[in-house]
Amino acid sequence: ILNVEQSPQSLHVQEGDSTNFTCSFPSSNFYALHWYRWETAKSPEALFVMTLNGDEKKKGRISATLNTKEGYSYLYIKGSQPEDSATYLCAFNFGNEKLTFGTGTRLTIIP
Amino acid sequence: DAGVTQSPTHLIKTRGQQVTLRCSPISGHKSVSWYQQVLGQGPQFIFQYYEKEERGRGNFPDRFSARQFPNYSSELNVNALLLGDSALYLCASSLYRNYNSPLHFGNGTRLTVT
Repeated sequence: ILNVEQSPQSLHVQEGDSTNFTCSFPSSNFYALHWYRWETAKSPEALFVMTLNGDEKKKGRISATLNTKEGYSYLYIKGSQPEDSATYLCAFNFGNEKLTFGTGTRLTIIP
Repeated sequence: DAGVTQSPTHLIKTRGQQVTLRCSPISGHKSVSWYQQVLGQGPQFIFQYYEKEERGRGNFPDRFSARQFPNYSSELNVNALLLGDSALYLCASSLYRNYNSPLHFGNGTRLTVT
């Protein structure tokens, strides 16, 4: 069984502070790692798709890094804003037709 | 451009009944995947369809079936509903079949089985 682990499960961050959280995945047979943001009452929105060891991706104040050899990815949010409140999901693919999702990190920004 | 649309948004069924969920992908997307999300867990893969053929199936019983139509829309059918089938069912489309492409999700169908 190939599992994707995310930590922490939930996080409260003061507005303006920076934060990060972790996605761990099996390091063998790596193909792609996805990050999604899922706001309440909306659909999951793709943030990044990462495929190469050492990849770093950035979208505004959000960035992600990937280490396929040790099996982890970090998501960073700089200067958190209330609109960053959401559940952040990572998902792993090892070359077949499906994504295996973690249970997510629920981020709440405190104004 | 319209995103992925799913219908209905909510559904209440009783045990033993059958249900059909519908999904329209983003225009031009030929791949449609279905995921089940139970509270407290991440989405679980059910099916992928590409060019109207089943390309992958998750660890779900045969009560679950799906199909993709010539216009690339898709239906998910669940027979003999159990209480444990209560979940949010997400449909996602992507431009390509491989997972270098991000998934574009609909808002989901919330199924409650009583």
